[in-house]
Amino acid sequence: ILNVEQSPQSLHVQEGDSTNFTCSFPSSNFYALHWYRWETAKSPEALFVMTLNGDEKKKGRISATLNTKEGYSYLYIKGSQPEDSATYLCASISDSWGKLQFGAGTQVVVTP
Amino acid sequence: DTEVTQTPKHLVMGMTNKKSLKCEQHMGHRAMYWYKQKAKKPPELMFVYSYEKLSINESVPSRFSPECPNSSLLNLHLHALQPEDSALYLCASSQTGNPYSNQPQHFGDGTRLSIL
Repeated sequence: ILNVEQSPQSLHVQEGDSTNFTCSFPSSNFYALHWYRWETAKSPEALFVMTLNGDEKKKGRISATLNTKEGYSYLYIKGSQPEDSATYLCASISDSWGKLQFGAGTQVVVTP
Repeated sequence: DTEVTQTPKHLVMGMTNKKSLKCEQHMGHRAMYWYKQKAKKPPELMFVYSYEKLSINESVPSRFSPECPNSSLLNLHLHALQPEDSALYLCASSQTGNPYSNQPQHFGDGTRLSIL
């Protein structure tokens, strides 16, 4: 993989359900993997920065895992709430300049 | 409230105009970034300033001219833009630009730019 790819592009979740989605990134020259939440008309907000293979991070109902050897990360939302509706962006750093390469995002819509 | 402030929020300009986008942060961060984002596409890095010096220019056309007057301010000067330059321009900052660190980037709300 040369680029950062996220799937699915969008998903609809019923309130209370749990969901997860994927970020694939170049596994060579890996430095870090970032997750951001971007609500409409707001600024992207940092969720996690992960650097080690096998890393797991948690913030409230949201958690993320990292596999640097195969180049993927999962983001999980447990018990989705309407306020979780946002676009979730992942970005990887794979060069010594520290440049973030973003995926196109997964748009999550949580319906009551 | 975002800790990175961008002005203006919206800008409409003609192809012959000269305008500037402004970005300000007071978190003591020493790395600042400009990104361009078109609808449904990933944000694309344009420039990186590290300790007030331009460290990365991603082959951006010269009609975009960045400036970092001090550690808190980042400007993007615009001149003779094209309609395809219409996009959301995001500014971000981080403590340093160290790729080995676990520092997130802090983003502003962006400037929505439209070129007539």
